[in-house]
Amino acid sequence: QVQLVQSGVEVKKPGASVKVSCKASGYTFKSYDFTWVRQAPGQGLEWVGWISSADNDNRKYAQKFQGRVTLTTDTSTTTAYMELRSLTSDDTAVYYCARDRISAVGSPDVWGKGTTVTVSS
Amino acid sequence: EIVMTQSPATLSVSPGERAILSCRASQSFSSLAWYQQKPGQAPRLLIYAASTRATGIPARFSGSGSGTEFTLTISSLQSEDFAVYYCQQYHNWPLTFGGGTKVEI
Repeated sequence: QVQLVQSGVEVKKPGASVKVSCKASGYTFKSYDFTWVRQAPGQGLEWVGWISSADNDNRKYAQKFQGRVTLTTDTSTTTAYMELRSLTSDDTAVYYCARDRISAVGSPDVWGKGTTVTVSS
Repeated sequence: EIVMTQSPATLSVSPGERAILSCRASQSFSSLAWYQQKPGQAPRLLIYAASTRATGIPARFSGSGSGTEFTLTISSLQSEDFAVYYCQQYHNWPLTFGGGTKVEI
């Protein structure tokens, strides 16, 4: 079955970077794109970015993360990655990777369970 | 940026009753999805393209609307339906979500 397995809990200090992984299985990896979303404690869903699995140069980022976030995919390991740099306490959140519906950019149908990132001194 | 506004913020409903959730957009489109999220869980896709149920979603969930006004209807609330519901547009960048509607007993 289709699965997205995310990496574990991260605790980082302000100014550090974090790289979250999202291992995909159960489908043809390059046929589906990835959307990343985060959720701060007690808050709603916030879009972080999007990447094409077939063309890593085709990426979109939310304006507030421009210059701080990089999305990549590795087709050899069927894994998507999100790296976020210069962390502040405002980046404390659960980060979700999600697979888009086929040919439906930005419309995810399968979600990972989320990775909790805590930024604290 | 397309702003998505959901109402009400909280909806109190009894099991077996119907729930109607609203989502209003600042621009017109049809690329709208609805998600359900329970505490400690990832969002779950319910509806896409405003009115198409995702795979495995019960028929009591239905989506309607077009342009700037959209509705999610749960025809007869079951105990497992008490959750937070989000609408999301994927018409253009940046992707945006509504603030959510909490459906409570």
